[in-house]
Amino acid sequence: GNSVTQMEGPVTLSEEAFLTINCTYTATGYPSLFWYVQYPGEGLQLLLKATKADDKGSNKGFEATYRKETTSFHLEKGSVQVSDSAVYFCALSENSGAGSYQLTFGKGTKLSVIP
Amino acid sequence: GAGVSQSPSNKVTEKGKDVELRCDPISGHTALYWYRQSLGQGLEFLIYFQGNSAPDKSGLPSDRFSAERTGGSVSTLTIQRTQQEDSAVYLCASSFGGINSGNTIYFGEGSWLTVV
Repeated sequence: GNSVTQMEGPVTLSEEAFLTINCTYTATGYPSLFWYVQYPGEGLQLLLKATKADDKGSNKGFEATYRKETTSFHLEKGSVQVSDSAVYFCALSENSGAGSYQLTFGKGTKLSVIP
Repeated sequence: GAGVSQSPSNKVTEKGKDVELRCDPISGHTALYWYRQSLGQGLEFLIYFQGNSAPDKSGLPSDRFSAERTGGSVSTLTIQRTQQEDSAVYLCASSFGGINSGNTIYFGEGSWLTVV
């Protein structure tokens, strides 16, 4: 079956520090990969996505590259802000076949950015 | 409405009671999903509705859980004879078509259920 493993938190960084949150996956087919973010008191929001190998998703200064050879989709940001404090979820969905509408999530990584 | 709306936002119930959680998806979205977010467990898929097709109920954890979607819009998730392990955040989401077609899925803020 499909699975997503992401680094456990919590992660605490100072403002303007470099962020990496590791994510690796196991899938039977060729999935699409996603990062979702959950800000305090809000619902999950799509942050970025990549649908095929070597694609780079980017949004709000965050980037992640779909690496098929290492089955990874690590999230990076060069300079974090206090407003980036949230829980980040890596997820995948199969591009075809039964259950392709399902998202399989990692357990989430809580990021706290201090001034 | 502008987004996926869920109610109640918080519910505390006694063990053994039944609860109903409601989801109002984004207008025009044909696909509707329920997920459960338990402490330390991440998000689990529960059920998926797409248009008039039979729902995929494969993620429902037991026969105490059921869901329906009336008129292709509002959905209700029902948990009968609640147990303490049912305590979680129940998230509803919707999309215009399936995410396997590249559509973005939009989540509600969730219903926090506590069984005491």
